[in-house]
Amino acid sequence: DQQVKQNSPSLSVQEGRISILNCDYTNSMFDYFLWYKKYPAEGPTFLISISSIKDKNEDGRFTVFLNKSAKHLSLHIVPSQPGDSAVYFCAASDQGSGNTGKLIFGQGTTLQVKP
Amino acid sequence: KAGVTQTPRYLIKTRGQQVTLSCSPISGHRSVSWYQQTPGQGLQFLFEYFSETQRNKGNFPGRFSGRQFSNSRSEMNVSTLELGDSALYLCASSSGTEETQYFGPGTRLLVL
Repeated sequence: DQQVKQNSPSLSVQEGRISILNCDYTNSMFDYFLWYKKYPAEGPTFLISISSIKDKNEDGRFTVFLNKSAKHLSLHIVPSQPGDSAVYFCAASDQGSGNTGKLIFGQGTTLQVKP
Repeated sequence: KAGVTQTPRYLIKTRGQQVTLSCSPISGHRSVSWYQQTPGQGLQFLFEYFSETQRNKGNFPGRFSGRQFSNSRSEMNVSTLELGDSALYLCASSSGTEETQYFGPGTRLLVL
């Protein structure tokens, strides 16, 4: 049972345009969500997070939106740069039930930003 | 601050052997979590240690075990290695009170 889903395996955008990466989840107990960026043979790098009490969080070019009723979150990157090309993982945790330290990951979306 | 470090970076073992992987968390972090990444299953949670105690566990067989030392460094052990254990093993640390985890570079294990 995949609790966190990233239905688009890949996404290609032009440099300077907006990249929108999507993530859906099924477990309504999830209360904290994170986005990570990963290059091959490296560990994931933390990008941005959002608590379930918020619906938006911004950090520079990265904005995460959370729609709890739809159990959906998205990561917006504006403007996209070639250096953003990587695999992006959405992750969720259920802190309220004591499942601290346990992140559930989506399968990842490969973003390619073309110059 | 130095990031999460993992040793060794690469490892080749044969079936039936055992292996120990090491992780040093970010200074001041008390929680260490371990994950396995494979092409077929993605990133899967193995277990989490906080203040030398296993606080959470994923759905892996008992061949996978871990421990944490008083300085928060953690080790993961896999006994009786199987071909399917070939994977990138990632360690992540956090303060233990907030959920943002910071990952190390991983240990690439190949089981022949």
